[in-house]
Amino acid sequence: EVKLVESGGGLVQPGGSLRLSCATSGFTFTDYYMSWVRQPPGKALEWLGFIRNKANGYTTEYSASVKGRFTISRDNSQSILYLQMNTLRAEDSATYYCARDKGLFDYWGQGTTLTVSS
Amino acid sequence: QIVLTQSPAIMSASPGEKVTITCSASSSVSYMHWFQQKPGTSPKLWIYSTSNLASGVPARFSGSGSGTSYSLTISRMEAEDAATYYCQQRSSYPWTFGGGTKLEIK
Repeated sequence: EVKLVESGGGLVQPGGSLRLSCATSGFTFTDYYMSWVRQPPGKALEWLGFIRNKANGYTTEYSASVKGRFTISRDNSQSILYLQMNTLRAEDSATYYCARDKGLFDYWGQGTTLTVSS
Repeated sequence: QIVLTQSPAIMSASPGEKVTITCSASSSVSYMHWFQQKPGTSPKLWIYSTSNLASGVPARFSGSGSGTSYSLTISRMEAEDAATYYCQQRSSYPWTFGGGTKLEIK
């Protein structure tokens, strides 16, 4: 059974940093691209970026809205995806989802919530 | 970036009624994916590559379209179909989602 479990959300002050994790199981992690998607309260989904699979060198792509502030990485030995978020702003407050990516987001985690506020 | 505009933003339908949700792209895209999301839950892949139903999706759902115009149709509305539906394009970076259509049951 494919599982994705996000963690690491919480309350952070503006300008702060946080790292989210997405623990995965039930599939060969290195075979898949992995994406992060967020959803502000009551708003639409926003794709943030992805990290490619082993065959494509684990390189990354980002949305302009987070490029330079957010970094996606992966620990392939433990099948964990990460999202390092720096210089956080109020508008980064959202539920953050990881998604398995095989050309489409076929499995999603349950999400972890970030609130950026003083 | 490609902007996806969904219409309507909110709608309600009676059981048995036909429902159509549209997604208009600001530039031509090769195909469209659709996701269903119910309150408090994560999105689920619903229709992929414009017209293919994801596993477990009832046959009353269908998808169609090309270029800049795509749609999701429910042939006969059922209570369990009440949800928010999002379209998504992956033809060019950044991948973008539509603003969502909230579908309610009358």
